[in-house]
Amino acid sequence: DSGVTQTPKHLITATGQRVTLRCSPRSGDLSVYWYQQSLDQGLQFLIQYYNGEERAKGNILERFSAQQFPDLHSELNLSSLELGDSALYFCASSVELGQTDTQYFGPGTRLTVL
Amino acid sequence: GQQVMQIPQYQHVQEGEDFTTYCNSSTTLSNIQWYKQRPGGHPVFLIQLVKSGEVKKQKRLTFQFGEAKKNSSLHITATQTTDVGTYFCAGPKSGNTPLVFGKGTRLSVIA
Repeated sequence: DSGVTQTPKHLITATGQRVTLRCSPRSGDLSVYWYQQSLDQGLQFLIQYYNGEERAKGNILERFSAQQFPDLHSELNLSSLELGDSALYFCASSVELGQTDTQYFGPGTRLTVL
Repeated sequence: GQQVMQIPQYQHVQEGEDFTTYCNSSTTLSNIQWYKQRPGGHPVFLIQLVKSGEVKKQKRLTFQFGEAKKNSSLHITATQTTDVGTYFCAGPKSGNTPLVFGKGTRLSVIA
């Protein structure tokens, strides 16, 4: 158990819909990262937050947005969903935002768009 | 932009055989991290290498960081079925930016 929690574990929805994925980082971790993992694909970095502020953006679509709240939990919002958005979405956390920080991954949310 | 390439993409070995995965970066890395993802699981941190030419061992796993800090390898001696999974290397892009993950090497071990 990494100490990072993600809800829900599974999500099935239809095209055009909007969903929210939630992540609670490890106690004491200030950085939260979101990744997308499609079938047989690596980990695509989406976005990073540090202590409530956006710090880095990866290949995140405009239909996707995220935020980190004062209690440090984070939410990833996916809207106007398309079939291609079906994937595993991982949240990870680290203590700081340094290059040497280890990232601790949550169990992931599997999103299926029908 | 910076890329982290991993080869091979897949590797099937007989139990007891050795396994090696290679990671190459287009730029010099300040450090490199390795993660393992079991089937159906999430990536789990294995190790971090920081120094040029560094070699670290964890039981049957040997990790190396190249002299130029642009490549790294993970070698598993005498694979076991518990080694099954995808192994990712990851390095920071630049400055205080998040890690860039390679696409991973999926290891299958045939008993």
